[in-house]
Amino acid sequence: DAGITQSPRHKVTETGTPVTLRCHQTENHRYMYWYRQDPGHGLRLIHYSYGVKDTDKGEVSDGYSVSRSKTEDFLLTLESATSSQTSVYFCAIRENNPQETQYFGPGTRLLVL
Amino acid sequence: AQKITQTQPGMFVQEKEAVTLDCTYDTSDPSYGLFWYKQPSSGEMIFLIYQGSYDQQNATEGRYSLNFQKARKSANLVISASQLGDSAMYFCAMRGRGFGNEKLTFGTGTRLTIIP
Repeated sequence: DAGITQSPRHKVTETGTPVTLRCHQTENHRYMYWYRQDPGHGLRLIHYSYGVKDTDKGEVSDGYSVSRSKTEDFLLTLESATSSQTSVYFCAIRENNPQETQYFGPGTRLLVL
Repeated sequence: AQKITQTQPGMFVQEKEAVTLDCTYDTSDPSYGLFWYKQPSSGEMIFLIYQGSYDQQNATEGRYSLNFQKARKSANLVISASQLGDSAMYFCAMRGRGFGNEKLTFGTGTRLTIIP
């Protein structure tokens, strides 16, 4: 258990509304990630963070922003949700081991109507 | 660019038999890591096993082993003595090593069903 929680776990929202997903970790990991999972695509990286206020884009970052004001929290914001952002969102941390294994949170299921 | 290919969308295996899940990869990174994750129907992503590109031996973790053939760019997961609880989606993933290589590239997964 990597001590990762995500909130909310499920959310239904309407097109055009802002949405913020939260990832919280308790073990002081430096690296945190947001992925989305869609059928036929596996998981794809949206954004990641390598420290407080240090973030970078992944391969599917359009329409998303992130913030990390403290080590334990990494927020993902959809400024104006679209139906194409209906997905399952996973947060991950990178373990400080030689393999640099990424461990995932339980996921947030988001439906944009 | 990195690419992971999992060519088996679904597999059915009799309980207690061994099963091999295929994974081939492509990368230009000289150093990389290969990972397998399990996703049961409950939805969480569970790390199973890791293989480094320079590791001399195939990785093993309990009933899981990784058949790593670097020249063929394959990293197949072998589950010995399958159990009903092994029914799940299995994802192969890779990541280049070194600064800036943060993305895990995933395959599309294989759905494994264990038959009693």
